[in-house]
Amino acid sequence: AQRVTQPEKLLSVFKGAPVELKCNYSYSGSPELFWYVQYSRQRLQLLLRHISRESIKGFTADLNKGETSFHLKKPFAQEEDSAMYYCALTMDSSYKLIFGSGTRLLVRP
Amino acid sequence: DVKVTQSSRYLVKRTGEKVFLECVQDMDHENMFWYRQDPGLGLRLIYFSYDVKMKEKGDIPEGYSVSREKKERFSLILESASTNQTSMYLCASSLGLLSNQPQHFGDGTRLSIL
Repeated sequence: AQRVTQPEKLLSVFKGAPVELKCNYSYSGSPELFWYVQYSRQRLQLLLRHISRESIKGFTADLNKGETSFHLKKPFAQEEDSAMYYCALTMDSSYKLIFGSGTRLLVRP
Repeated sequence: DVKVTQSSRYLVKRTGEKVFLECVQDMDHENMFWYRQDPGLGLRLIYFSYDVKMKEKGDIPEGYSVSREKKERFSLILESASTNQTSMYLCASSLGLLSNQPQHFGDGTRLSIL
């Protein structure tokens, strides 16, 4: 079955440190992968998607089909990056999103 | 900017009641979704709809039903509420043309069943 795994429930780093939020998926086809973010008291929103190959708020994510991973990275964390991050997957020709269980990122001053 | 509006931020109901959660989007999106969000479980899809009067079961449809009579509105119905349905419920919408279109979420409804 298709699955998205985020192994860390909580990731705590100091301001200015590099951040990597891990995401692994299981799907044999061609996935579309996304990172969504939910800041405190805000709605869940799209951060980035692999098809766009963009950097948003300093975050990047590269799809590694060999390792079936889509890790989210930022070289220098900021306190405002503290939030809940969800990795999500859609399958071929499907509108359904399959979410991971989420990782809470805490950036300490 | 896409606006997805959920009718209530907080709702308290009693066991056995029939509960309606309403969601409206203003961007003419074809697809609409209902999720529940629970700590440690992430978001789980309850139902989704890709057109008016069309619906498909998600991963956890038991105990729920949905209604989509108009394109902009998608209702989630708890037929007979139970305490294990206490959760945060999120509505989302997306364009229907391609699977890589992002979903836009509402603020959520925190539902407590007593």
